[in-house]
Amino acid sequence: EAGVAQSPRYKIIEKRQSVAFWCNPISGHATLYWYQQILGQGPKLLIQFQNNGVVDDSQLPKDRFSAERLKGVDSTLKIQPAKLEDSAVYLCASSSLTGTASYEQYFGPGTRLTVT
Amino acid sequence: SQKIEQNSEALNIQEGKTATLTCNYTNYSPAYLQWYRQDPGRGPVFLLLIRENEKEKRKERLKVTFDTTLKQSLFHITASQPADSATYLCALGSRFGNEKLTFGTGTRLTIIP
Repeated sequence: EAGVAQSPRYKIIEKRQSVAFWCNPISGHATLYWYQQILGQGPKLLIQFQNNGVVDDSQLPKDRFSAERLKGVDSTLKIQPAKLEDSAVYLCASSSLTGTASYEQYFGPGTRLTVT
Repeated sequence: SQKIEQNSEALNIQEGKTATLTCNYTNYSPAYLQWYRQDPGRGPVFLLLIRENEKEKRKERLKVTFDTTLKQSLFHITASQPADSATYLCALGSRFGNEKLTFGTGTRLTIIP
């Protein structure tokens, strides 16, 4: 089965510019997550979708970050305007709710964002 | 405030020995705990899950323990190999049925040949 796809893999922008990341989860996975991983830290959940509804966005800086998951499949995460502290790897993950699931999350390779 | 601590930033172990990584948490009551492996430039990969009512789980050379009284999980790799070198992340699972994970900062493990 194909894994979680993300693009682009790398992005360099100047502060105050906008940027968008794309994620295609594993086919059939209802739950999709966006994480921010700053160098030397663990991933921090930004937003969680169940199909195309938001389950948790408590740690999403809503003044500059937005995310959508149209039709319950692909998702985009946008930052506008970017700040220097947004430099990080943005990871997308998906999981499948199947009864006694292991709650395993499958991660994509991430997008490394550098804000200058 | 909630905190997840993994024993050290970096751990060097001689090949063939057992590597033991620690995950301690405060102000959490997780329903389960997971361990992930992350290689440079890649996303984390799931290794093991242990639930709050389980004391120990094994998978090949991996063993995880979970002590909810001590609020601690130990992750062991026996007969370690250079290919085991990576960053290992513990993640606490929410008991509210929404699969939310909260990750620790990770331990970078290096197996020395």
